[in-house]
Amino acid sequence: EAEVAQSPRYKITEKSQAVAFWCDPISGHATLYWYRQILGQGPELLVQFQDESVVDDSQLPKDRFSAERLKGVDSTLKIQPAELGDSAMYLCASSLGHLYNEQFFGPGTRLTVL
Amino acid sequence: TQLLEQSPQFLSIQEGENLTVYCNSSSVFSSLQWYRQEPGEGPVLLVTVVTGGEVKKLKRLTFQFGDARKDSSLHITAAQPGDTGLYLCAGPASGTYKYIFGTGTRLKVLA
Repeated sequence: EAEVAQSPRYKITEKSQAVAFWCDPISGHATLYWYRQILGQGPELLVQFQDESVVDDSQLPKDRFSAERLKGVDSTLKIQPAELGDSAMYLCASSLGHLYNEQFFGPGTRLTVL
Repeated sequence: TQLLEQSPQFLSIQEGENLTVYCNSSSVFSSLQWYRQEPGEGPVLLVTVVTGGEVKKLKRLTFQFGDARKDSSLHITAAQPGDTGLYLCAGPASGTYKYIFGTGTRLKVLA
């Protein structure tokens, strides 16, 4: 069964360091999402791609966060410099982008900033 | 701002009990999805409801979409410890591409 792949699964870093997360969506899924999730809460959308174009990055802290999907397939989310408040689960999801927009999630990357 | 409010926020019940989780909005949604998320994992899609008044069943789980497509409910019959997790409703608000997640309901089923 096709799955969304994410790496790493866990990342521990010190504040002011740079971190990067990678996501490989389900093959054929045109839409890719990066979410941040605080423990016990629903995911918060950071950025949404349609193919290689950014559709929505209104909630992305652009002074320190960046995301790219250069070839419209896999994607990288970067944080530089990391801050203590960035500790969270970072989830990647993909969808066909059709009307119902059902999303399929990867296992996530648990980031801890010390 | 379109919001999806879920209730209750937390629920702890004994194995075998029934429960209902609610997902409400003041906005119309073209569809709603329900997800379950276990600790340390990504959400897993359970079901999509599309038509107002629609009812879908998935084993012991019954999902309903409100007639006006502004609310949804999830009913679990005879809950089991394996049902423990964070339940999330989500969907694209009608007329927009924005995908919104609910506030979540954390369920714990005790053996």
